[in-house]
Amino acid sequence: SYELTQSPSVAVSPGQTATITCSGNNLGEKYVTWYQQRPGQSPVVVMYQNDKRPSGIPERFSGFNSGNTATLTIGGTQAIDESDYYCQAWDSGRAWGVLGTGTKVSVL
Amino acid sequence: EARVVESGGTLVHPGRSLRLSCAASEFAFHDYAMHWVRQGPGKGLEWVAAISYDSGATAYADSVEGRFTVSRENAKSSLYLEMNSLTTEDTGFYYCVRQTPQYYFDTWGQGTLVTVSS
Repeated sequence: SYELTQSPSVAVSPGQTATITCSGNNLGEKYVTWYQQRPGQSPVVVMYQNDKRPSGIPERFSGFNSGNTATLTIGGTQAIDESDYYCQAWDSGRAWGVLGTGTKVSVL
Repeated sequence: EARVVESGGTLVHPGRSLRLSCAASEFAFHDYAMHWVRQGPGKGLEWVAAISYDSGATAYADSVEGRFTVSRENAKSSLYLEMNSLTTEDTGFYYCVRQTPQYYFDTWGQGTLVTVSS
């Protein structure tokens, strides 16, 4: 089965850039989605189809996908961005999207 | 605004069965593929099962294949998850999720808690 690997944690200072990576075999050939999950809450999509932001998501969130790695970048990180982030890969030939292992972003 | 509400979670003994339900509202349920995603205590999200808009296709995670069955009743705007041979590894919150045609989950419920314990 297809697997997506993320670094367990990322620490960033307020105002700095946080980069979250997601690795998978030939991931660049698939659509990648990113979700943010705050403690005690259901996940919210922050990026879809690699680099598209849903309405309401701040411009400081950006996405890129190529080769075997997808990245979610948070520029000018704020305390409110402290959350768990999950990537998800979609294969056009399948009906589902496997989820990554998750990254905890801490804003110190 | 689209809404989904899960129910049916409870404490169950290992080896037993349980059926979860999801009631959808404020959107055309019959037009959307639906999924179940779970999250164990202190763990990450795990995709569990999917069903196409017309029940013509289903898919399961390897960890539940052969034990869980996803189904839907479009006339009732309802999604179900039949879970058999439950183990402690199946403990967690189960979320009912709507999939958009743009390949992402845009509507999540608050989850229903399944606890498998003797």
